[in-house]
This record gives sequence, structure tokens and C-alpha cells, in this order.
Amino acid sequence: QVQLQESGPGLVKPSETLSLSCTVSGDSISGSDWTWIRQTPGKRLEWIGCAFDNGVTEYNPSLKSRVTISVDTSKNQFSLNLRSVTAADTAVYFCARYHQRGFDYWGQGNLVTVSS
Amino acid sequence: QSALTQPASVSGSPGQSITISCSGTRSDVGGYNFVSWFQQYPGKAPKLMIFDVNKRPSGVSDRFSGSKSGSTASLTISGLQAEDEADYFCGSYTSSYSWVFGGGTKLTVL
Repeated sequence: QVQLQESGPGLVKPSETLSLSCTVSGDSISGSDWTWIRQTPGKRLEWIGCAFDNGVTEYNPSLKSRVTISVDTSKNQFSLNLRSVTAADTAVYFCARYHQRGFDYWGQGNLVTVSS
Repeated sequence: QSALTQPASVSGSPGQSITISCSGTRSDVGGYNFVSWFQQYPGKAPKLMIFDVNKRPSGVSDRFSGSKSGSTASLTISGLQAEDEADYFCGSYTSSYSWVFGGGTKLTVL
């Protein structure tokens, strides 16, 4: 059974960098594609980006200038860095596996609040 | 890219069938057969119910089915059960090499 677990701070100050990690068990991170999705307090889902097993990353055009997704095969983890955050980045951040054009396994979510 | 359009709420009685629509454009729903549907309970992560417009992941009940016509996709739940009461979201691949989601539909089982 594939399982994902997000970890990271629940509070980030405006203008700083939001950093989250997702630890994967039950699957090799180097053999699949991995994605970050967030859900705003109003319940809107927003795709942030994806790291593909061929080394390519794709990002939401609206966030592309501030986002980096990276993979650490030694830890079977992938990470999200979102720079220069504002209150609009307050959301629950989910990591998920992208498999055969579906997001089939999800973490439980990590609430991140941007506030001073 | 704009979010896909879903009705805010739908309702039905146990045993009935309901359909949730998801409207997009030729740049997303209408241009690709990469439409997914998700079920979400309060405080939980979304669960994949349908992918590639009409395919069900292993373990998902065959009471859930998906379809698409033009730039509008639909999720139909037949034989409605109390446990189906949840939020439902659609998502589609887009011409910007990204994914876009709908605003979500709250299903109430009367």
C-alpha cells in the first residue's frame, strides 16, 4: 500500500519561504511521478506542480516564478519550496502520486498559515 | 487558467441517481480525455473516483461513472447511499501542461 506523509511548519511569515516535505512508503520515488496540490480555506483546489520520473518538473503557470519541487531519492522524499509567500498562500498542502493521469494516492494534508 | 465550473450543490434521495457537471473549455476538458473526479469528506484528503473521463480505480464502486460531451464532463452516482454525502471535485489536464480543478459540489443525501 502506497502511503504519503507531509511534514513541515504550520506557520510561515509573509515574504518568507514555505518548505514542505513528503515522505513516500510502499513505492519507489524514482519510479513514479509526484505532485503538490493545495486547498484554500474556501475549499478551492489548486495544482502546484509535478516532478516526473524522467527528471522533468512542470509548474502551475500562476506560481511558476516562486515554486521549486525537488526529489531526494536517498530519503524517498520529495519537497516543495514556495518563495515570497503572502496570506493568499494560506492553504492545506497535499502531496500526491500522479499515476496514469490520475492523482491516486494522497497525503493527509498539512495546513500552512501565512501570518506575522 | 480559470477554474472549471461545477454546481455548488446537488441533492438526492437514497436509491436515486444524481449527476454533477463540470464545464470547461477547449483548452482543458474539451481538448483532452484526462478528466478526473474526486470525493472528499470533511477534514480528509480527496480520493480519486474517476480518471481518464470514465475509468474507475480499483476498489471504487461501479455506482460511480464518468462521461464527457464537448467541454463538459459529468459524474453520475447511481443507487445513492448515505455514505456518498461528500464534496466532489473535477479536474482536467490543460494545454498549459498543468491541471485545473472545479470549485467543488456538495452532495447531500436527503
